Amino acid sequence: EDQVTQSPEALRLQEGESSSLNCSYTVSGLRGLFWYRQDPGKGPEFLFTLYSAGEEKEKERLKATLTKKESFLHITAPKPEDSATYLCAVPAGNNRKLIWGLGTSLAVNP
Amino acid sequence: NAGVTQTPKFQVLKTGQSMTLQCAQDMNHNSMYWYRQDPGMGLRLIYYSASEGTTDKGEVPNGYNVSRLNKREFSLRLESAAPSQTSVYFCASSESVTNTFGSGTRLTVV
Repeated sequence: EDQVTQSPEALRLQEGESSSLNCSYTVSGLRGLFWYRQDPGKGPEFLFTLYSAGEEKEKERLKATLTKKESFLHITAPKPEDSATYLCAVPAGNNRKLIWGLGTSLAVNP
Repeated sequence: NAGVTQTPKFQVLKTGQSMTLQCAQDMNHNSMYWYRQDPGMGLRLIYYSASEGTTDKGEVPNGYNVSRLNKREFSLRLESAAPSQTSVYFCASSESVTNTFGSGTRLTVV
């Protein structure tokens, strides 16, 4: 069964304290892995798509990486405005549907 | 750029009442989706429409109906609301698999 698991569930960092979020997946034939950011009271906002092992994408303080079994979202020198829930998802079935992880809730203290 | 627009933003229903959640996108996307998001359950797909004129069940379709009115609009109807349908509902659209989300409808059924 296709599955996406994210860890940790919650993470609290001090401003400037770098860390990584994990997304592990079990799918038959990966056709992409997506990272989203969700702020309270809003819909998820697209961050990155990764398609093959070894691929990396960067945006400001965020860098996403992909292996054959998992993806990491590295946050370098985070700021309070990086506080949000980070979700990952993979396509499943007929490729029109996404399977979502439960997310990591990140809080960055000033 | 409006993107994906959902109405209403908040709604309280009594058990047994019916209502329709509206969604419209202005990005000329072919695919549209309805999700619900619950604490500890993540995002779950209710229904999706791969193109105008087609709709398919997702993971949790029971108690819901959908209408793809045209390429822009995709509505979700609750015929007889139940407390278990208390949730935050998100509409999304996509051209490939990357979903663009609306800001959500917070529905409470009492």
